[in-house]
Amino acid sequence: KQEVTQIPAALSVPEGENLVLNCSFTDSAIYNLQWFRQDPGKGLTSLLLIQSSQREQTSGRLNASLDKSSGRSTLYIAASQPGDSATYLCALLPHDYKLSFGAGTTVTVRA
Amino acid sequence: GAVVSQHPSWVICKSGTSVKIECRSLDFQATTMFWYRQFPKQSLMLMATSNEGSKATYEQGVEKDKFLINHASLTLSTLTVTSAHPEDSSFYICSARDLSGVYNEQFFGPGTRLTVL
Repeated sequence: KQEVTQIPAALSVPEGENLVLNCSFTDSAIYNLQWFRQDPGKGLTSLLLIQSSQREQTSGRLNASLDKSSGRSTLYIAASQPGDSATYLCALLPHDYKLSFGAGTTVTVRA
Repeated sequence: GAVVSQHPSWVICKSGTSVKIECRSLDFQATTMFWYRQFPKQSLMLMATSNEGSKATYEQGVEKDKFLINHASLTLSTLTVTSAHPEDSSFYICSARDLSGVYNEQFFGPGTRLTVL
């Protein structure tokens, strides 16, 4: 069974600092890996999706990398802003299409 | 882009009553929808996979008689929490897989907050 671990569980940084969020997984037989953002009491917002054959994806200040051989993905958020405060979840899509989620990293960006 | 809606967004009910939550794919067809629940400060846990025109597949530990799932059309799946109890209070989120999508991406609804008194 796929196990997804996100470290750290919580992170607090001053505004302007770059954020590095880590996700590790045990089974590399996946279709894709996806990073989501979740605000308190809200649903999920998809940030980036990396196909199994890709190494990274970029969108604005966000960059996500995927290294299947080591079972790791990293989400980088450049020049953090208070509006980036949220919980970030990584999820892996295996071949049975059942997403496996990590527990998330809760980010606080201090103004 | 692909949009999934859920209704209601929140509901409060008395213990022992049943509650129905709807999940709709608004601009695409989905033969498969997924139901998750999320407890405070925890991640999403898959409850069941809803397949259009057939019975849902439940994850281990999820009572199928407690959580009734119906997927009557390519754009609608419903989750009914029967004889709800306070421990059923949770955030329920659905997702739908776009048949025409090339990336096997799932699109998520905004969630339904259920509070059982």
